[in-house]
Amino acid sequence: EPEVTQTPSHQVTQMGQEVILRCVPISNHLYFYWYRQILGQKVEFLVSFYNNEISEKSEIFDDQFSVERPDGSNFTLKIRSTKLEDSAMYFCASRRSGLTYEQYFGPGTRLTVT
Amino acid sequence: QKEVEQNSGPLSVPEGAIASLNCTYSDRGSQSFFWYRQYSGKSPELIMSIYSNGDKEDGRFTAQLNKASQYVSLLIRDSQPSDSATYLCAATLSGGYQKVTFGTGTKLQVIP
Repeated sequence: EPEVTQTPSHQVTQMGQEVILRCVPISNHLYFYWYRQILGQKVEFLVSFYNNEISEKSEIFDDQFSVERPDGSNFTLKIRSTKLEDSAMYFCASRRSGLTYEQYFGPGTRLTVT
Repeated sequence: QKEVEQNSGPLSVPEGAIASLNCTYSDRGSQSFFWYRQYSGKSPELIMSIYSNGDKEDGRFTAQLNKASQYVSLLIRDSQPSDSATYLCAATLSGGYQKVTFGTGTKLQVIP
């Protein structure tokens, strides 16, 4: 069964450094998402991406964040200058088409900013 | 603020019993509803989706939707210790590209 994959599983970085989180969505899916979950809190939407552009973003997704689909398979989330409060689990999700609404999540990347 | 609300629990049920998990939502325009299971330290795993009023059954799981009351529920029959997890209720709100808004989750403990 196809799955969303994410790398790395755990990333430790120093405050102010740039990080890139990588995702490979399910191959025939067209809609891509990033969510985050701070420890002990609920899953929060960051951004949605369709047809090679951002379709919606939350208030969390400020100028420090960017997303890219550099090729036909990868979907990346970049944080330019990490802050302590960026420490969280980051989940990538994908959805097949406009007629189906189920989103499937990858295993996540645990980001620790020190 | 458009929200999805859940009781955080924990909800404790004995093995073999029915677990009943509930959720309310504030946006009347919400169209699609989901139940995800999340084990500690893991990602959300989709277990049910429901779009129309009524019941939807899949194995031991039954999702129920009442749009008039803005209420969604999940029943787990014959609960097993492996069902112990946090269950996340989620909805796609009106507008947007179907971003999913999650509740805080209900922690379920199935006691052997």
